[in-house]
Amino acid sequence: DTAVSQTPKYLVTQMGNDKSIKCEQNLGHDTMYWYKQDSKKFLKIMFSYNNKELIINETVPNRFSPKSPDKAHLNLHINSLELGDSAVYFCASSQVPKQRGGYTFGSGTRLTVV
Amino acid sequence: AQKITQTQPGMFVQEKEAVTLDCTYDTSDPSYGLFWYKQPSSGEMIFLIYQGSYDQQNATEGRYSLNFQKARKSANLVISASQLGDSAMYFCAMREGQFKETSGSRLTFGEGTQLTVNP
Repeated sequence: DTAVSQTPKYLVTQMGNDKSIKCEQNLGHDTMYWYKQDSKKFLKIMFSYNNKELIINETVPNRFSPKSPDKAHLNLHINSLELGDSAVYFCASSQVPKQRGGYTFGSGTRLTVV
Repeated sequence: AQKITQTQPGMFVQEKEAVTLDCTYDTSDPSYGLFWYKQPSSGEMIFLIYQGSYDQQNATEGRYSLNFQKARKSANLVISASQLGDSAMYFCAMREGQFKETSGSRLTFGEGTQLTVNP
């Protein structure tokens, strides 16, 4: 069973389109995240939700809107896609602070905007 | 200000040898956690090892060990007996507020070190 699953794995779309990436975790974690990995492999947090409540909202264009229908799901909707949005988007979850270990990441969604 | 610094963009090691990947960090929070992740070419992020700021012993997980020098604010990853499958990008990351109940528990990543293991 996949702990954190993201769909789709690959997404190729044209500029101006609207797209969504879905994430689900079956670990019972309270907190979920979206990270963006740019072309230089740098990972940066975008959003974090704790029990469906938005708690981290980095400086991200408001074309990006996360939605958490329940604590096991965190989706990312992107409006009016731009070339610069091309990146790998990772969903992650954690149970802080009880979990001494790491955050569990999904396998990533490679978004290509053409 | 950058909180995690990995000064080695690329490292090369011979198979079966040990290699150290450097990581320094900056925080004023006395409670924090340090993590290492491996990202192979397939792209997934694999958790390797964790060190809490109050841990008395250096963390070890199989062939991975963390050389934690708190006063120097360094948390270097040591991989012993390198294998070809160790070739990957390695990220050091920090979570501030180790014991905080509230989240704000973001992971801040370094820029990564690309490790290549030669046969």
